[in-house]
Amino acid sequence: AQSVTQPDIHITVSEGASLELRCNYSYGATPYLFWYVQSPGQGLQLLLKYFSGDTLVQGIKGFEAEFKRSQSSFNLRKPSVHWSDAAEYFCAVINTGTASKLTFGTGTRLQVTL
Amino acid sequence: DVKVTQSSRYLVKRTGEKVFLECVQDMDHENMFWYRQDPGLGLRLIYFSYDVKMKEKGDIPEGYSVSREKKERFSLILESASTNQTSMYLCASWDLSYEQYFGPGTRLTVT
Repeated sequence: AQSVTQPDIHITVSEGASLELRCNYSYGATPYLFWYVQSPGQGLQLLLKYFSGDTLVQGIKGFEAEFKRSQSSFNLRKPSVHWSDAAEYFCAVINTGTASKLTFGTGTRLQVTL
Repeated sequence: DVKVTQSSRYLVKRTGEKVFLECVQDMDHENMFWYRQDPGLGLRLIYFSYDVKMKEKGDIPEGYSVSREKKERFSLILESASTNQTSMYLCASWDLSYEQYFGPGTRLTVT
């Protein structure tokens, strides 16, 4: 069965600093990978996704993620964090097939200091 | 825009009550999902459905059941609510590109 690990429960960065959120997955075949963001009191919003092709994918709000098969990782990055980026971030992997489903990591809460 | 709506944002029920959580999507998606979200545990899949009247157990189905009589509606049922079912419940559907669209969530408190 597929699984997703987000090793950092909570991260604090200063506004303007760079950000990297870690995600490791376990899945036998080529994974479909996603990053979602959940702002306080809001629903989940898709930031970006990777299915195949270029291993560096661009998303909304200035985020990007890099798929590294050798490390089973799909880390999320942003060069300069804004205070409005404070939220919880979830990495997810999908198994495709007749009964496809997403498996989510436990999330990383990002705090941004001014 | 895809819209996924959930019948209640907040719900308070008593132990032993039967609870219905309703979810409706307006984009003709075949696949629909119910998750619960708890601090430190992320989103855990309860049940999902990939067609009308079809259902599949997710990772934590115990204490829950579901109903999918129409394509646009997916209901989560707590047959006899317990305090450990106090949680945020999220409904979602997805399109052919596997992008999930989430509802706003129902925060259920069982006392």
